[in-house]
Amino acid sequence: DAKTTQPTSMDCAEGRAANLPCNHSTISGNEYVYWYRQIHSQGPQYIIHGLKNNETNEMASLIITEDRKSSTLILPHATLRDTAVYYCIMENTGFQKLVFGTGTRLLVSP
Amino acid sequence: DTAVSQTPKYLVTQMGNDKSIKCEQNLGHDTMYWYKQDSKKFLKIMFSYNNKELIINETVPNRFSPKSPDKAHLNLHINSLELGDSAVYFCASSLRTAEAFFGQGTRLTVV
Repeated sequence: DAKTTQPTSMDCAEGRAANLPCNHSTISGNEYVYWYRQIHSQGPQYIIHGLKNNETNEMASLIITEDRKSSTLILPHATLRDTAVYYCIMENTGFQKLVFGTGTRLLVSP
Repeated sequence: DTAVSQTPKYLVTQMGNDKSIKCEQNLGHDTMYWYKQDSKKFLKIMFSYNNKELIINETVPNRFSPKSPDKAHLNLHINSLELGDSAVYFCASSLRTAEAFFGQGTRLTVV
C-alpha cells in the first residue's frame, strides 16, 4: 500500500545532522507528507508534516522538493535517542489513515 | 499524564479464548484508531472511529470487534483467539489531521 520509497537503513554519528530521504513520485496535489518514527518497543511518534513548503519544529526540519516528488527529514543534531525506524507517509484520504511502509532504520552511534 | 493509554501492556492467552484491550485518550481528540504490528514489524491500520462512529474497517476478521462507548475510549474485543493474532496492538488518536498520538502498545501472545 505504501507509496513511498526509503532507504532500508542509515547511520549517523552523534551530534551530526541526519538527513533521511524519501521518494514519493506519485504524490497527488492534495496529499501531505508525514514523518513518524518508532523507537524500539514504543508506539510510533509523530515528527512533522508538510504539503509543499518546508517546515520546522522542535524535533526536525522537513524539506520538500519543488515538484513534491521527494522530501528529506533533517534531524539537525542527532543523539543516541534518535535511533529508531523513520517512516515517510503520504496521507489524504480524508480519514487520517496512515499507511506505514518499511521505513528507514537510523542508527546513531557515539 | 499519559495521553493515550492502553491496558493491559502484555496479554498471554490460550487459543480459543476471548479477550479485550482497552484504550483511553485524554487529549480531547475526535478520532481513534487501532493498528496492528506483526512479527515482521509491519504496522497496519485495523479500525478508525470518529466521534464514536466507525470510519475505517480494514478487512479485519469479524472476530475483532471495536467498541467506542464515548469519544475518549476505543476498546478492542477479540473472539476465538488464534495463533496468528499474536502481535503488538497500538491504539492512537488524532484531531482532524493525521498527526496521531499512539499508545505504548499491547503485546498479545496467543499460545
